Amino acid sequence: QSALTQPASVSGSPGQSITISCTGTSSDVGGYNYVSWYQQHPGKAPKLMIYEVSNRPSGVSNRFSGSKSGNTASLTISGLQAEDEADYYCSSYTSSSTSLFGTGTKVTVL
Amino acid sequence: EVQLVQSGAEVKKPGATVKISCKVSGYTFTDYYMHWVQQAPGKGLEWMGLVDPEDGETIYAEKFQGRVTITADTSTDTAYMELSSLRSEDTAVYYCATTAYGSGSPTDAFDIWGQGTMVTVSS
Repeated sequence: QSALTQPASVSGSPGQSITISCTGTSSDVGGYNYVSWYQQHPGKAPKLMIYEVSNRPSGVSNRFSGSKSGNTASLTISGLQAEDEADYYCSSYTSSSTSLFGTGTKVTVL
Repeated sequence: EVQLVQSGAEVKKPGATVKISCKVSGYTFTDYYMHWVQQAPGKGLEWMGLVDPEDGETIYAEKFQGRVTITADTSTDTAYMELSSLRSEDTAVYYCATTAYGSGSPTDAFDIWGQGTMVTVSS
């Protein structure tokens, strides 16, 4: 099973909004509302930012939001801050009862 | 406090087997699935498989099927991931991950992660 497709990199200036896409198929992203997003800083374990497409865990800034349309999910970061510079991964439950991660996106704050 | 504490770094020769542990605390081990994730140096996250600690049922990613064994010991609240026939491409950080706040389904997102275990495969 191939990884979900994400752009390799996205950048923005402080205060701006950016959106990261995550494209799969009807057997994963399109078939279930079990898409999650993870932030990973260098040398650290990933951190859950969004679960079930658009839900934020307690403690995660409301600058992070998620959505889905068809086979593509999206993570939007508004009011971009320096601390948001990190790698971001989407993940989806699949029809094989497995999980599948995206290829990852490096976010750069200019 | 919910915690996953993994065993230390390993160095293995090609063809060998490695077994990594993940000790849980702060929640009921059998309530939630435990997943394992591989991350090669400079690469992305790759889901390897899961175990249901309640009954030991496992599901593995196709890529690792036949080489990976994930188990759960409810007497010690510890999950294990064993990877055999190691090759250089298996050099990676391995994470255990779970949820302590989900529904107890394999669809739960991973809000709790171990600190990672570095495995180096080298002759």
